[in-house]
Amino acid sequence: EIVLTQSPGTLSLSPGERATLSCRASQSVSSSYLAWYQQKPGQAPRLLIYGASSRATGIPDRFSGSGSGTDFTLTISRLEPEDFAVYCCHQYGNSPYTFGQGTKLEIK
Amino acid sequence: QVQLVQSGAEVKKPGASVKVSCKASGYTFAGYYIHWVRQAPGQGLEYMGRIDPNSGGTRYAQKFQDRVTVTRDTSISTAYMELSKLTSDDTAVYYCARWPTPPYAMDVWGQGTTVTVSS
Repeated sequence: EIVLTQSPGTLSLSPGERATLSCRASQSVSSSYLAWYQQKPGQAPRLLIYGASSRATGIPDRFSGSGSGTDFTLTISRLEPEDFAVYCCHQYGNSPYTFGQGTKLEIK
Repeated sequence: QVQLVQSGAEVKKPGASVKVSCKASGYTFAGYYIHWVRQAPGQGLEYMGRIDPNSGGTRYAQKFQDRVTVTRDTSISTAYMELSKLTSDDTAVYYCARWPTPPYAMDVWGQGTTVTVSS
């Protein structure tokens, strides 16, 4: 099973700043099948990025994904108030599919 | 619009079973696999399994292999997830999600169904 480790656990930033979130896999993720989700309290996850770097439909271009192999990054170029949430990475290249434990992005 | 609507919250006793429904609308139900994911309180997401609504074929995560059954009724565009032999560790929010063919990921999610297991 591929274990996904996200860092940092919590990231405190201000609106307008740049956020960089990391997701490291215990082994290489096949075909870069790595996704990022945003989740707010009491809500279902929302797909942001799939295939490591492709934005999902309707996702603003301030969100970008990069990486391959075992190291992946989600970048939010300029934080908006609605971006403060939990972000989770997900690998779906190798069964069993697994999720990271999440990074909480909070307002500083 | 494309949406998945799940059944309401459930409270079950240890040892019982629960069946959660997931009704699809706004798209061709048979065209997309439906997957199930759960989230225990304060915890991360955990993958459970999936069904191909077209063929009825299923695949489950090994952890749940002996306890989970996913079915579908194409006449009403609804998928079901039944989990048996419940324990307190199964207390969680259960989500269904639509999953187009990779490289796409789970793009539309149900609102979640809270299942509480308590004596």
